Amino acid sequence: NAGVTQTPKFQVLKTGQSMTLQCAQDMNHNSMYWYRQDPGMGLRLIYYSASEGTTDKGEVPNGYNVSRLNKREFSLRLESAAPSQTSVYFCASRTRDRAAGNTIYFGEGSWLTVV
Amino acid sequence: SQQGEEDPQALSIQEGENATMNCSYKTSINNLQWYRQNSGRGLVHLILIRSNEREKHSGRLRVTLDTSKKSSSLLITASRAADTASYFCATDFSGGYNKLIFGAGTRLAVHP
Repeated sequence: NAGVTQTPKFQVLKTGQSMTLQCAQDMNHNSMYWYRQDPGMGLRLIYYSASEGTTDKGEVPNGYNVSRLNKREFSLRLESAAPSQTSVYFCASRTRDRAAGNTIYFGEGSWLTVV
Repeated sequence: SQQGEEDPQALSIQEGENATMNCSYKTSINNLQWYRQNSGRGLVHLILIRSNEREKHSGRLRVTLDTSKKSSSLLITASRAADTASYFCATDFSGGYNKLIFGAGTRLAVHP
């Protein structure tokens, strides 16, 4: 039972480089999310996708792009990485079935350092 | 700014004591959820309370919700060293079902 799987787990980038964080869920969830967590802080929503084919900005979308490739996969792209994007990135998903309780399931995180 | 704000930011107690964490939020919600995060790991769902509920229990956890004050509390009774973690509240906006917003969290340390 994989749940939410993110790759890579660790990455070091140079300023200006680009990279894509991959996320896949096997729970047939409609909604998927990307959050970032800075040291000692809570999670801030970057982008989310309510369903396949839709994406919306969260609290801190600047510097990021996303793609909802299909129902399972939701990727996050940094086009030109900046040191301020050094953070831990979490992908998450949940069903849109309110009766199911709206629980959100998280991946284990991707540690990104931009030097 | 973040929708949910936890208080206190850090809490240090002895095993067997109760731990209480509070969360305040700003706008109307469908529900409020509490999550736990062990160091270096993802978040794990603990409990959800809907906007029409006032109190909910799950094992050693008790959650209350006061929508008039826009606040919630999480009580962990008879704490154990294994409860050491960060705890976050997350609010599900009434106007945006899919936009789950987290607070900054309370770091709980339970000492043996």
